[in-house]
Amino acid sequence: GAVVSQHPSRVICKSGTSVKIECRSLDFQATTMFWYRQFPKQSLMLMATSNEGSKATYEQGVEKDKFLINHASLTLSTLTVTSAHPEDSSFYICSIGQRAPAGETQYFGPGTRLLVL
Amino acid sequence: AQSVTQLDSHVSVSEGTPVLLRCNYSSSYSPSLFWYVQHPNKGLQLLLKYTSAATLVKGINGFEAEFKKSETSFHLTKPSAHMSDAAEYFCVVSDNRRSNTGKLIFGQGTTLQVKP
Repeated sequence: GAVVSQHPSRVICKSGTSVKIECRSLDFQATTMFWYRQFPKQSLMLMATSNEGSKATYEQGVEKDKFLINHASLTLSTLTVTSAHPEDSSFYICSIGQRAPAGETQYFGPGTRLLVL
Repeated sequence: AQSVTQLDSHVSVSEGTPVLLRCNYSSSYSPSLFWYVQHPNKGLQLLLKYTSAATLVKGINGFEAEFKKSETSFHLTKPSAHMSDAAEYFCVVSDNRRSNTGKLIFGQGTTLQVKP
């Protein structure tokens, strides 16, 4: 399957600052990447679908001005948490989708732990 | 509408004994079904997937799952648990409608504990 990396793996920031998280597809050209958020002991929640060369599609309830997504190339998508607050502290995971005749499979990155003080 | 129910939030087994993690799904369309594993502070790793081919699917690390349409189930099994299997397991469904590409529905997860 596809190999996905994320950077940084962990970040601590002060309230009010912005944080950028990178998601890279190392061996596959991904026209679509996905951003998820996971709270402790919970399942993953899809935040948005990142489309190369166009605007991201956000899920209901996710503030697009708060979580800026840029998918400038087929191997890189970035998520910027703007004016971060403690409630934004979470585990952020990206994935890429590989389509095949039988359907699509998503491969996930290792995640980024964000702690906002 | 699609949904996934993992019937056990926590499963505890002894090392060397069989593992059974239960998953039921609901889908109006021909679904693809997946099991992913997540170790602490890590991303999700694909264990196996069902995409309308063979109903018994073999995955990595000795895991397998059987798609039973009549029971709408996709339970995950392993004959003999290893300490390294201790992790969180997610059953996931996606439909194959073109308009809904990429939308995954996650179960709530099952924590597998393996005792020595």
